[in-house]
Amino acid sequence: DAGVTQSPTHLIKTRGQHVTLRCSPISGHKSVSWYQQVLGQGPQFIFQYYEKEERGRGNFPDRFSARQFPNYSSELNVNALLLGDSALYLCASSLGGQFTGELFFGEGSRLTVL
Amino acid sequence: KNEVEQSPQNLTAQEGEFITINCSYSVGISALHWLQQHPGGGIVSLFMLSSGKKKHGRLIATINIQEKHSSLHITASHPRDSAVYICAVLQGAQKLVFGQGTRLTINP
Repeated sequence: DAGVTQSPTHLIKTRGQHVTLRCSPISGHKSVSWYQQVLGQGPQFIFQYYEKEERGRGNFPDRFSARQFPNYSSELNVNALLLGDSALYLCASSLGGQFTGELFFGEGSRLTVL
Repeated sequence: KNEVEQSPQNLTAQEGEFITINCSYSVGISALHWLQQHPGGGIVSLFMLSSGKKKHGRLIATINIQEKHSSLHITASHPRDSAVYICAVLQGAQKLVFGQGTRLTINP
């Protein structure tokens, strides 16, 4: 069985551009959550989606948005990119809508903003 | 002060040593996760605890809810255990707050 897959793995953008990151959860998992990890720091929670509805949101500006599709895959969108958005973006899937079960992480999408 | 503090930030040990990584938190939680992150970024879930102690192979995780503290122990450490270990606490059902990570290096 495939694990959590994320695309693209690496990308370079310039300030002001827009980026879309994609995540496919493990088959049967209905929850997807997104995290930002700046170099040298722990991850920070951005969003959680369960059954196509937003269930949680971290302290991120409105430039960050996400959605979940009927097949439970998800997209994270970031508009008007800033240098500080350079980070590893991680996606995790879980079976239920709460974080009280095991989380399965993808390998991440490394975004560089120049 | 961060809501989740890990110590030490960096730890270097010799193969075979007993390793302890600590996690302290300042808020009420419903569960705590221990995660392992290898170079390149991939994260693996090790444990999810809400009370007591869990063991998996050479790894042991404990939590003391009253003292707001959790520990991750590695027995008979091996160079392949070298990674960043991250503690994450669950506040309520949907807010996950991460520590900054502990970088562990095990030398042969």
